[in-house]
Amino acid sequence: DGGITQSPKYLFRKEGQNVTLSCEQNLNHDAMYWYRQDPGQGLRLIYYSQIVNDFQKGDIAEGYSVSREKKESFPLTVTSAQKNPTAFYLCASDIGTNYGYTFGSGTRLTVV
Amino acid sequence: KQEVTQIPAALSVPEGENLVLNCSFTDSAIYNLQWFRQDPGKGLTSLLLIQSSQREQTSGRLNASLDKSSGRSTLYIAASQPGDSATYLCAVHGSSNTGKLIFGQGTTLQVKP
Repeated sequence: DGGITQSPKYLFRKEGQNVTLSCEQNLNHDAMYWYRQDPGQGLRLIYYSQIVNDFQKGDIAEGYSVSREKKESFPLTVTSAQKNPTAFYLCASDIGTNYGYTFGSGTRLTVV
Repeated sequence: KQEVTQIPAALSVPEGENLVLNCSFTDSAIYNLQWFRQDPGKGLTSLLLIQSSQREQTSGRLNASLDKSSGRSTLYIAASQPGDSATYLCAVHGSSNTGKLIFGQGTTLQVKP
């Protein structure tokens, strides 16, 4: 079945450590997105990519980095510069404006 | 700047009731509007997608309407069941070419047996 796979489901980060969240899709979608979800704040866009080897900052990109070397993959790195990284991270993709988004199952990141 | 608001933030109803969730948006220049369901600790599941040229979409017991001119959408759930308990999110896809969805903060629904 086609879909989006996020891994790991749970991730723990120590202070000062960089961590990378994986997002893989087999839907042949061109566009991919990373959102952060915090209680009471809804979903906020971190980065998005509309095509391989190109990506754009979203509303809250500071402290995060991404790459898009393959159409299927859009990993998100949470760097030590992100001061409040504890959140639920969601990856999504779409094929165009007429078809809507598909989301992965999310990664919960906790700072320990 | 597009803003999306969902009212109420939480709703509790007895099983079998018909209910309406509301979503409003400030900029009527949208490509489409999408309703999602989120269970605790899970990702988002798409329920209905309404294109800007459409007035409503139906899937089973769910019906979503769109009134672009007034900046409103409603999600109607008929004959609610305990399994409908979840958070429902509304998101609009703006008319810029970035593809970004702008989300409301959601309505958390509890259907009591």
